[in-house]
Formats: sequence, C-alpha cells, structure tokens
Amino acid sequence: DAGITQSPRYKITETGRQVTLMCHQTWSHSYMFWYRQDLGHGLRLIYYSAAADITDKGEVPDGYVVSRSKTENFPLTLESATRSQTSVYFCASSTIGTGALNEQFFGPGTRLTVL
Amino acid sequence: AQSVTQLGSHVSVSEGALVLLRCNYSSSVPPYLFWYVQYPNQGLQLLLKYTSAATLVKGINGFEAEFKKSETSFHLTKPSAHMSDAAEYFCAVSDWKGSARQLTFGSGTQLTVLP
Repeated sequence: DAGITQSPRYKITETGRQVTLMCHQTWSHSYMFWYRQDLGHGLRLIYYSAAADITDKGEVPDGYVVSRSKTENFPLTLESATRSQTSVYFCASSTIGTGALNEQFFGPGTRLTVL
Repeated sequence: AQSVTQLGSHVSVSEGALVLLRCNYSSSVPPYLFWYVQYPNQGLQLLLKYTSAATLVKGINGFEAEFKKSETSFHLTKPSAHMSDAAEYFCAVSDWKGSARQLTFGSGTQLTVLP
C-alpha cells in the first residue's frame, strides 16, 4: 500500500525489555521523523533523519535509538523500556525538511504501553 | 526558539455554530505556521499552512486561519461546525534546528460538536 505505515499498531511490553517500532514509507521522502504524543504535551520530536545513514536528535531523544539503512524505513528502538515511555508514537515523512512548501505526512501511530 | 500556545485544551460548540480555535506564536522572525487535525485513532493530517503569501489562509473542510502579526496569532475558524469536525487540532510552527526544518507543536485543542 502506498503511504506511510507503522507496525505494530499496539504493543504492550514490560519494563527493561527492548522494543522496536517500525516505520515504512513508499514515497521516497528524504526526511523522516519520530514523535511521541502525550496528554498535555502535544507532539514532541524524538529523532529525525535527513537521508539514509543520517540521523539527528530531536527534543526528547534519551532512551531511544534510531537507524536508517534504507530510505523507506526508519525504525525506533527503546533499548530498555521504562514506564515513562508509555505513549503514542508517530512516524512522519516529508520531501525537504519541513519548509514552507513541504508538509509532513503522518503514519497512523503505535500505542505503546510499558508495564 | 519558536513556540506556539493553544488557548483552551477543550472547546465545545453546537452543530452549525462558529468554530474558533486559538493559537498564538512566539517568533523573532516571520514564522511558517500550520494547523493539523487528528481524528480518533489516526495520525495527523494537514489542514492549512501559512507561508507569508497571504494573511488569510484557506484549508480543507471549510477551515481557514488568519495570520495577525500585531497579535502574534494564527487562529483557526470555520463558520458552521459539522459533527464530523469533532477531533483534536494542533497548531505548529516550523523552525530550522540542526539539519532540518522541524515542527514544534502546541498542546492541542479537543473540539467537541454538540448536536
């Protein structure tokens, strides 16, 4: 299917476990982003990537790791999950950053619960 | 750093009434501003964006927003609310950080439409 997809859509894990959230886009967009959405905070940027093998930290990167070996995939890994990482995670992509003419397209989200 | 503030985390209107969702920005340079909508269990979808071409911006689904520099505001309006407009709305500002233009989101406004 065309667009941006995330998997899994729902995940329950335990404290200390490693979890990987997947993001896949079919548009060949250069930029990809990971956000977390928490009540009262809107969306906060965790990491972003300008191209394959180029990643950079966002506002709240601690406890997360990303990689981007292929343009279309941008997995997010929680190396040792904590309860504070319970959240809804959104992946997004755009053509050239988030400039005036380039909007970000969002995936449907992954709801992660850490027990 | 640029930021946006959304006044009112919850707004209720009757079907057919005017919708007004407030957003104020903080920026030392002309900002690029966005409104996104999030329907339940979905990702964010772009409603409209301000890129300095015109102060009154028209978006999808009958929404529009007016950029007022003197008031540092970018409020979202719709003349007549529909039940299908019930969703969460986010104002965002685009800013260069690191190697990309990044979006900074407000905390969101939940719109309820009453029959």
